Amino acid sequence: QQQVKQSPQSLIVQKGGISIINCAYENTAFDYFPWYQQFPGKGPALLIAIRPDVSEKKEGRFTISFNKSAKQFSLHIMDSQPGDSATYFCAASRSDTDKLIFGTGTRLQVFP
Amino acid sequence: GAVVSQHPSRVICKSGTSVKIECRSLDFQATTMFWYRQFPKQSLMLMATSNEGSKATYEQGVEKDKFLINHASLTLSTLTVTSAHPEDSSFYICSAHRGSNYGYTFGSGTRLTVV
Repeated sequence: QQQVKQSPQSLIVQKGGISIINCAYENTAFDYFPWYQQFPGKGPALLIAIRPDVSEKKEGRFTISFNKSAKQFSLHIMDSQPGDSATYFCAASRSDTDKLIFGTGTRLQVFP
Repeated sequence: GAVVSQHPSRVICKSGTSVKIECRSLDFQATTMFWYRQFPKQSLMLMATSNEGSKATYEQGVEKDKFLINHASLTLSTLTVTSAHPEDSSFYICSAHRGSNYGYTFGSGTRLTVV
């Protein structure tokens, strides 16, 4: 119930393309769904986050799509750039415990 | 913006010794701090949750006597790895949380190598 499943494990995209990463959860008590970007040897940095009262949120080239009934959410990176090459984690938390549970991660490589 | 400072960034210690990692929220007061462990090419695994002035809550399978967490103030939490062994070598990351409207801010991580 505490798991957050993430796919794909790795993703190769050409520069300018769209990168799509998917996550699914089981616990309906989760009410905060962030996406993090992590470079090697660094802590994760928040990219964008969504709450279940909206179905989509866009910030720059990053968009979260949220499907509450399917218990799924995804990250879309538009116009992917080589600088986007990193590991991306989805996560979920519930406000009564505040524990942030991470997905398994997706290694994104964007080639010029 | 919210900044969390974590030190040291890298530490090498001998087997059997203890190592302390500090996590400070620089420009805000964190109601809760979290400690994660990350093995190479793996996800972040939550080790424990700490609230200022109270005992930390450890996740299942995490040895509380080995990983001592102290949250002495609203801006400082420490993780001490006691009697470290090579299998404790990992990347440790802290995160500070100041309420549901503000999200989580992560430190830059500490690479611990036990030799």
